[in-house]
Amino acid sequence: DARVTQTPRHKVTEMGQEVTMRCQPILGHNTVFWYRQTMMQGLELLAYFRNRAPLDDSGMPKDRFSAEMPDATLATLKIQPSEPRDSAVYFCASGRPVPLDTEAFFGQGTRLTVV
Amino acid sequence: GDSVTQMEGPVTLSEEAFLTINCTYTATGYPSLFWYVQYPGEGLQLLLKATKADDKGSNKGFEATYRKETTSFHLEKGSVQVSDSAVYFCALSNNAGNMLTFGGGTRLMVKP
Repeated sequence: DARVTQTPRHKVTEMGQEVTMRCQPILGHNTVFWYRQTMMQGLELLAYFRNRAPLDDSGMPKDRFSAEMPDATLATLKIQPSEPRDSAVYFCASGRPVPLDTEAFFGQGTRLTVV
Repeated sequence: GDSVTQMEGPVTLSEEAFLTINCTYTATGYPSLFWYVQYPGEGLQLLLKATKADDKGSNKGFEATYRKETTSFHLEKGSVQVSDSAVYFCALSNNAGNMLTFGGGTRLMVKP
């Protein structure tokens, strides 16, 4: 059963520390998304990759956040330095290269707590 | 830009009650429409979708019809169960790249 895998599932860190979240998209998917979920803001799109190239990262605070795809099987989201307001659940999702069939498959998320 | 508006929750129902969660959208062109469900501690799962006007998506007893004239995609279920308790998200995609615009989510609580 193919699924998007995210690690770690939970992360507690101190303010100022670097945080790296990882995502393994479903094999054969060519689009990858990072979303952040908070009670106040709901689901926010942070970054979007197609064929490993970043297409849209306008939702991401550039000064501390960075997203990359070192290869087709790994996407990373880094926060440096982390702040308490970054506490949220971060979801990765991937999609098939089928025009107009725009379903996205979500991972289980990384729950980040910055203290 | 594109946007999705759905009714605020929580929605609290008794088991076997009828469910409607309203969703309206603003978009150019002809978006695809989705309902995703999020169970506690889990990621989002696709519940159903519709890709063109008048299409009806259905799954697990849930239904939603793509109404272009009213720009709506309301979710319905005839008889809810306790296991349907979750957060439901309406979403649209308006390009070929799977990028979704989500509504704010509606929490459904079903009591025995």
